[in-house]
Amino acid sequence: DAGVIQSPRHEVTEMGQEVTLRCKPISGHNSLFWYRQTMMRGLELLIYFNNNVPIDDSGMPEDRFSAKMPNASFSTLKIQPSEPRDSAVYFCASSSLVGGTNEKLFFGSGTQLSVL
Amino acid sequence: AQSVTQLGSHVSVSEGALVLLRCNYSSSVPPYLFWYVQYPNQGLQLLLKYTTGATLVKGINGFEAEFKKSETSFHLTKPSAHMSDAAEYFCAVSASGTYKYIFGTGTRLKVLA
Repeated sequence: DAGVIQSPRHEVTEMGQEVTLRCKPISGHNSLFWYRQTMMRGLELLIYFNNNVPIDDSGMPEDRFSAKMPNASFSTLKIQPSEPRDSAVYFCASSSLVGGTNEKLFFGSGTQLSVL
Repeated sequence: AQSVTQLGSHVSVSEGALVLLRCNYSSSVPPYLFWYVQYPNQGLQLLLKYTTGATLVKGINGFEAEFKKSETSFHLTKPSAHMSDAAEYFCAVSASGTYKYIFGTGTRLKVLA
């Protein structure tokens, strides 16, 4: 398996622009996470999907952020409009939820987002 | 509620020396504990995990960790550091029946030649 695939690897945009990050989870996994990593806050869970349904979006910073999972093999995280404080590395991770527990997360390589 | 504290944001060891990265947790239910490693420009990879059973768990690349309930600790060790061990290490806590992971703030390991 190719692992979790994220695109793009790097994104540089100007404040106010729309940004879309993409993720292809590992085939067969039923859980998908979006995390944001910054020096100040470390790894923050933004949103969690199970079987394509958003279960927990309490970590989404504000209405400028939205995430979708239209099918089991694709998810997007959109920021509109983007702001400089959104600059971070965004990770997607997938897992198999067994007995209500995700015992191993598989992370993508991340998208380095810079908002100027 | 669950939380994780990693002591030391930066640790330096000489090549061949013992690696000890500290992790303490707080959990109101029996915890599942994890160590993940992040190499530069990569995502996190699972090193090892404790769920139930044997409290000393062995992972990849010669790392191991011991779950000590009385000390609420899950420290990561490796007898002899290698240059390739230089990376950032994250401790995480979860629990049976929950999807949530709580990650620590990470410890950056530097290995000196």
